[in-house]
Amino acid sequence: GESVGLHLPTLSVQEGDNSIINCAYSNSASDYFIWYKQESGKGPQFIIDIRSNMDKRQGQRVTVLLNKTVKHLSLQIAATQPGDSAVYFCAENIGGGNNRLAFGKGNQVVVIP
Amino acid sequence: DVKVTQSSRYLVKRTGEKVFLECVQDMDHENMFWYRQDPGLGLRLIYFSYDVKMKEKGDIPEGYSVSREKKERFSLILESASTNQTSMYLCASSPGGVYYNYGYTFGSGTRLTVV
Repeated sequence: GESVGLHLPTLSVQEGDNSIINCAYSNSASDYFIWYKQESGKGPQFIIDIRSNMDKRQGQRVTVLLNKTVKHLSLQIAATQPGDSAVYFCAENIGGGNNRLAFGKGNQVVVIP
Repeated sequence: DVKVTQSSRYLVKRTGEKVFLECVQDMDHENMFWYRQDPGLGLRLIYFSYDVKMKEKGDIPEGYSVSREKKERFSLILESASTNQTSMYLCASSPGGVYYNYGYTFGSGTRLTVV
């Protein structure tokens, strides 16, 4: 079957460089955001989340930045490694109770050794 | 350490067959979801369930139904498989109730091919 990365915007990055992946979200009332990583042939995996009362959150080698003014979310990966090659997509809680998430279409990251 | 298990990684079915995709989670989550994922279209929600025996339509429910007889199990049913249902199917779960603002845990996916 076709890779889920097909037809997606692609970021090619040299191993060891930093990566920045961007996401525009739609709902100004969204109060919770998540980044997922999906490797080829696998299900999406949680990377990091952020709540709307924050504008930055750091994890291990990853940082998420939230700009509510322009409804923009970004994921920064430090010292990108070959294992970081994957599709990355953001998700926002669209409210209405019961934890409904809306997902972006994703960005393909290709790490060049 | 697998928390959301989908019964099959790969399935090949014939047009017109009734197909069952099974998903089991061991985290005692209230919410369960079925998505399909196609290149360039992202994740599209088919059906979801907030409790046992409850179900709600997502964005693309046509041609599908679901069953949730037990809290841990959420089944997706293709009543009469068609070639345009060839896709990657992903099951997910999340806590409910007071656990607002939680991410989903996804299964590994089932790649279904209808011939």
